Amino acid sequence: GQSLEQPSEVTAVEGAIVQINCTYQTSGFYGLSWYQQHDGGAPTFLSYNALDGLEETGRFSSFLSRSDSYGYLLLQELQMKDSASYFCAVRSSSNTGKLIFGQGTTLQVKP
Amino acid sequence: EAQVTQNPRYLITVTGKKLTVTCSQNMNHEYMSWYRQDPGLGLRQIYYSMNVEVTDKGDVPEGYKVSRKEKRNFPLILELPSPNQTSLYFCASRPGLSTDTQYFGPGTRLTVL
Repeated sequence: GQSLEQPSEVTAVEGAIVQINCTYQTSGFYGLSWYQQHDGGAPTFLSYNALDGLEETGRFSSFLSRSDSYGYLLLQELQMKDSASYFCAVRSSSNTGKLIFGQGTTLQVKP
Repeated sequence: EAQVTQNPRYLITVTGKKLTVTCSQNMNHEYMSWYRQDPGLGLRQIYYSMNVEVTDKGDVPEGYKVSRKEKRNFPLILELPSPNQTSLYFCASRPGLSTDTQYFGPGTRLTVL
């Protein structure tokens, strides 16, 4: 079957750095993306990696290693507003653009 | 403002009473999807549409129907709702297959009694 594994919960303090890992097993791989969702809200797109390496967008970075079927989201200089759920998603088909989502990681940022 | 809208935002209904959740986007996106979100299961795709009159099943299509008669609208239809369809539903759109950046609607919380 197809699956994505993420930790269910992560806790960190304000100002710290936190890394959220995602490992995947899918029939196809055409990119890894990350979404943020605040409680009760809509998911919002954060970043996308199609090739190996690090992509940086402000305080957030995302990394991909296709040979290891692994990626991570790195959040730096954590702020209270970063408390949310974070989902990784793999594009498993080039023809249909199908996205398979992980179960999500709940990040709690403490003062 | 570029956005995806859904209606209603909240709905409580009873088993077997047909309902439709509307979804509309104003970004001229070709690709639209419906997801349901349940605790511990993440987002699961119900149906998707790559363009007008082109729809296909996602991972959990049973009990749902969709239509795509216009580019901007992608309604989700539950003809015989059942309690296991109680969930949080999100509509999403994206420009096309060239990007994985999806824009999600605000969500519809559905309860079927």
